[in-house]
Amino acid sequence: KAGVTQTPRYLIKTRGQQVTLSCSPISGHRSVSWYQQTPGQGLQFLFEYFSETQRNKGNFPGRFSGRQFSNSRSEMNVSTLELGDSALYLCASSPHLFGGAGANVLTFGAGSRLTVL
Amino acid sequence: DAKTTQPPSMDCAEGRAANLPCNHSTISGNEYVYWYRQIHSQGPQYIIHGLKNNETNEMASLIITEDRKSSTLILPHATLRDTAVYYCIVRESGNTPLVFGKGTRLSVIA
Repeated sequence: KAGVTQTPRYLIKTRGQQVTLSCSPISGHRSVSWYQQTPGQGLQFLFEYFSETQRNKGNFPGRFSGRQFSNSRSEMNVSTLELGDSALYLCASSPHLFGGAGANVLTFGAGSRLTVL
Repeated sequence: DAKTTQPPSMDCAEGRAANLPCNHSTISGNEYVYWYRQIHSQGPQYIIHGLKNNETNEMASLIITEDRKSSTLILPHATLRDTAVYYCIVRESGNTPLVFGKGTRLSVIA
């Protein structure tokens, strides 16, 4: 079955602009998590959505937001872009709420690489 | 913060077993150990996870010490395609996400 699909794969923006990234999870997966990866900070958790509700949020400013639709597809938005927002943004899906009881695994997409000039 | 300690880098000869250690001395009884890897410019890939018992799948084996304070990921016959950053993660209890540390950069050498 198809994996996690992220679009666009690459994009370039300028400071002050906003960007929307899209993630289509594996069919049947209801939880979507977003991570930011930079050379300096590594992989950092942004937020997790389950059943259209944000269940977890990482330590990022309010410029970073997301949402999930009824078909489990998710989008994240970054407003007022800063140079430091240049990063690989990764989406991951899992069948259940990841933070719930029991073991679970994440399937990651290939990421969206954002460059802010 | 990550709750694990891993060596920053390791080398392994192609065809030999790669043994990647991980220290998680503060692990609690209901926390699982997960291993993921990330090949350059790709998203992380799940490898294996375990709670108390040793685990094996088609990719690797996970050996967890009896006191659960450390574990070892074993790639039985490393190939050049196994060159990647390997992350050992302890999933914190409750409704918390996976926290990735810096991982171990494994280089498989021909």
